[in-house]
Amino acid sequence: AQSVTQLDSQVPVFEEAPVELRCNYSSSVSVYLFWYVQYPNQGLQLLLKYLSGSTLVKGINGFEAEFNKSQTSFHLRKPSVHISDTAEYFCAVSNQGGKLIFGQGTELSVKP
Amino acid sequence: NAGVTQTPKFRVLKTGQSMTLLCAQDMNHEYMYWYRQDPGMGLRLIHYSVGEGTTAKGEVPDGYNVSRLKKQNFLLGLESAAPSQTSVYFCASSYLSNQPQHFGDGTRLSIL
Repeated sequence: AQSVTQLDSQVPVFEEAPVELRCNYSSSVSVYLFWYVQYPNQGLQLLLKYLSGSTLVKGINGFEAEFNKSQTSFHLRKPSVHISDTAEYFCAVSNQGGKLIFGQGTELSVKP
Repeated sequence: NAGVTQTPKFRVLKTGQSMTLLCAQDMNHEYMYWYRQDPGMGLRLIHYSVGEGTTAKGEVPDGYNVSRLKKQNFLLGLESAAPSQTSVYFCASSYLSNQPQHFGDGTRLSIL
């Protein structure tokens, strides 16, 4: 069975500092990987996805993630965060069946 | 573009009452999903559909029923609401099984 673990439930960071949100997954088959962002009282928006090809994936709002098959990780990074990046971030994995398995979420809090 | 629209946005029910949540998408997507979001647990799949007239159980289907009579609509029903079903419910859709899912803004449901 597939599972996703987001290693940090809360990440506080100062504005313009770099940030990394960690995600590990377990699966015995090839997977597709996603990061979604959820702003307060809204639905989830796709940040980036890994389906195949280059292991470094660039997404919206300056975020990027690296797929590491040997470590079964898909960590999300941004070199310099803004106040507007304050939100909850979800890592998710799916196989070819299409069902998404979500991690528990990481609350990113950017402070001035 | 409307994308995925959920109605209602808020609802309060008494234990034992029934209700139906409506999800509509205008992107001609084949796949549709219902999730519930609870604090610290990410999103969990309730039921999903891979096309008009089909439905399947997800991770937490008990106490819910669904129907997909039209391709653009996916209904989630609670037959006899229980306090444990207090949650935020999200609908999502995707064109193919390995493509990103598009989410609605959610329905906040409280069962007293």
